[in-house]
Amino acid sequence: EDQVTQSPEALRLQEGESSSLNCSYTVSGLRGLFWYRQDPGKGPEFLFTLYSAGEEKEKERLKATLTKKESFLHITAPKPEDSATYLCAVQARGTSYGKLTFGQGTILTVHP
Amino acid sequence: DAGVTQSPTHLIKTRGQQVTLRCSPKSGHDTVSWYQQALGQGPQFIFQYYEEEERQRGNFPDRFSGHQFPNYSSELNVNALLLGDSALYLCASSQTGTSEQYFGPGTRLTVT
Repeated sequence: EDQVTQSPEALRLQEGESSSLNCSYTVSGLRGLFWYRQDPGKGPEFLFTLYSAGEEKEKERLKATLTKKESFLHITAPKPEDSATYLCAVQARGTSYGKLTFGQGTILTVHP
Repeated sequence: DAGVTQSPTHLIKTRGQQVTLRCSPKSGHDTVSWYQQALGQGPQFIFQYYEEEERQRGNFPDRFSGHQFPNYSSELNVNALLLGDSALYLCASSQTGTSEQYFGPGTRLTVT
């Protein structure tokens, strides 16, 4: 069974203090790994898709990387508006229908 | 370009009742997936609809059923509501052949 574990559960940063969020996964052949951002009471907002080990994607202050067992979401010089829950999900190869298996998320709080 | 829309925003039901939630996919998308998100947890896959048929299902009982219409919109029905069904219900749409799923704002269901 596919599994995703995110750490830490919660992370508090000062504005400008860079850090990383971790996503460890077990899947029977990875088709894709996805990062989403979710604000309280809202639906997840798509950020990145990573398909193979060594791949990197960037968007503003966020950079996602992928290895064979985990993914990292690096946040450089965060701002208070980056505060949100960050969700990681995997999609297994052979699952052409697209079920996503999510981790429990990391709650990021950035203080001014 | 309209994103994924869901209705209603909030719903309060009593144990034993039935509920119907609605979703309109993003323009150009033909596949709809439904997820349940309990407070403080990541979304859990319920099922996916394509070409008006359920083609993949997660570990949810038969009380959860759905439908997809010719215009690709979808409904999620839950019968015999339990207190544990209280959650944020998320609809995600995608285009066949692509991996990315885009989520709607969700419907907050409270069962009393």
